[in-house]
Amino acid sequence: ETGVTQTPRHLVMGMTNKKSLKCEQHLGHNAMYWYKQSAKKPLELMFVYNFKEQTENNSVPSRFSPECPNSSHLFLHLHTLQPEDSALYLCASSRDTMMEPQHFGDGTRLSIL
Amino acid sequence: KNEVEQSPQNLTAQEGEFITINCSYSVGISALHWLQQHPGGGIVSLFMLSSGKKKHGRLIATINIQEKHSSLHITASHPRDSAVYICAASSYNTDKLIFGTGTRLQVFP
Repeated sequence: ETGVTQTPRHLVMGMTNKKSLKCEQHLGHNAMYWYKQSAKKPLELMFVYNFKEQTENNSVPSRFSPECPNSSHLFLHLHTLQPEDSALYLCASSRDTMMEPQHFGDGTRLSIL
Repeated sequence: KNEVEQSPQNLTAQEGEFITINCSYSVGISALHWLQQHPGGGIVSLFMLSSGKKKHGRLIATINIQEKHSSLHITASHPRDSAVYICAASSYNTDKLIFGTGTRLQVFP
């Protein structure tokens, strides 16, 4: 149990669907992250939120839309995805973005048909 | 070329063997992280270090800042150590994590 919970664990969707991934942490952390992990590639940072404000968008296509309503919750809204977006999406949190270890969720495995 | 390189990519070992996984990086860092990812995806942070050596149970992590190199050692390896081990560098300039591609370790009984 890492303290970071992601739902759903698995998601299969068509390219025209709209779905959302959810991440929740009750560790009292102020920073939250979305990462993408594709097969045989390093983890890629997508977004960073610190104190609910987005501080990093790593050139992510607009079909991925993050939302951070409070420091404990982070969403990733998905719309009109492409087959190459199939991957494991990992959420993480840390006390702060500076020099703090990140706590990861178990990820959502996303498959785009 | 990745800014963080790991070797080997795959590693198999017999239970009880001493294991070393290497990580080299080319960026200025504020810290170096070692992570463990089990099948199914969940990632656990093992170590965060900026100098010297850290030990936790059978795991030891070392870093040589001058040589921009870190190693993760597992003593008395066990099948439950089978996982992907990922090295990640906290960039000094941006504080973002830059990840290696991971080392897949399988320990057989």
